[in-house]
Amino acid sequence: DIQMTQSPSTLSASVGDRVTITCRASQSISTWLAWYQQKPGKAPKLLISKASSLESGVPSRFSGSGSGTEFTLTISSLQPDDFATYYCQQYNSYWTFGQGTKVEIK
Amino acid sequence: QVQLVQSGAEVKKPGASVKVSCKASEYTFSNFYIHWVRQAPGQGLAWMGIFHPSGGSTYNAQKFEGRVTMTRDTSTTTVYLELSSLRSEDTAVYYCAVGALLGPFDSWGQGTLVSVSS
Repeated sequence: DIQMTQSPSTLSASVGDRVTITCRASQSISTWLAWYQQKPGKAPKLLISKASSLESGVPSRFSGSGSGTEFTLTISSLQPDDFATYYCQQYNSYWTFGQGTKVEIK
Repeated sequence: QVQLVQSGAEVKKPGASVKVSCKASEYTFSNFYIHWVRQAPGQGLAWMGIFHPSGGSTYNAQKFEGRVTMTRDTSTTTVYLELSSLRSEDTAVYYCAVGALLGPFDSWGQGTLVSVSS
């Protein structure tokens, strides 16, 4: 099974900050990686697929990069609506999620 | 926008079974795959399995093999997840989600809370 490891687990930041979350795969997954945003009591929302492809309607301050085993999600200028938990997911071999990164207000 | 509507919250005793439903549009039912994902309180997301509504084929994650059954009702375009031999650790929100066979999960249901307690 492919394991996904996110870091950090929690991130404290202020509005306007540039934020980066890292996701590492236990083996190469090419670019078969997605990022989701989840707010309390809500279902996850797909933000990015194929490592860097922004879903329709997702603000351009979100971007993804990486290939192989190392990936990043960047929020260029954190907005109040962005405080949430973010998950990476590989879909190269079945589906596995990272453990999540909570972005909280500093 | 794909819409998935799930059944309401359930309370079950240890050892019982639970059946959660996920209603999709005819288009979604005929053209996509339905995944089941669960999230224990305060925890992350765990993929449980995939179901092909139009063909009826399924694949379960190893962790849930033997306890999970996925079925469908084509007349109502509804997919079901049944989890048996419930234990307290199965207390979680269960989500259905839709995607292509080799893709991410484009849209999610609202979630169904299953509580297991004696």
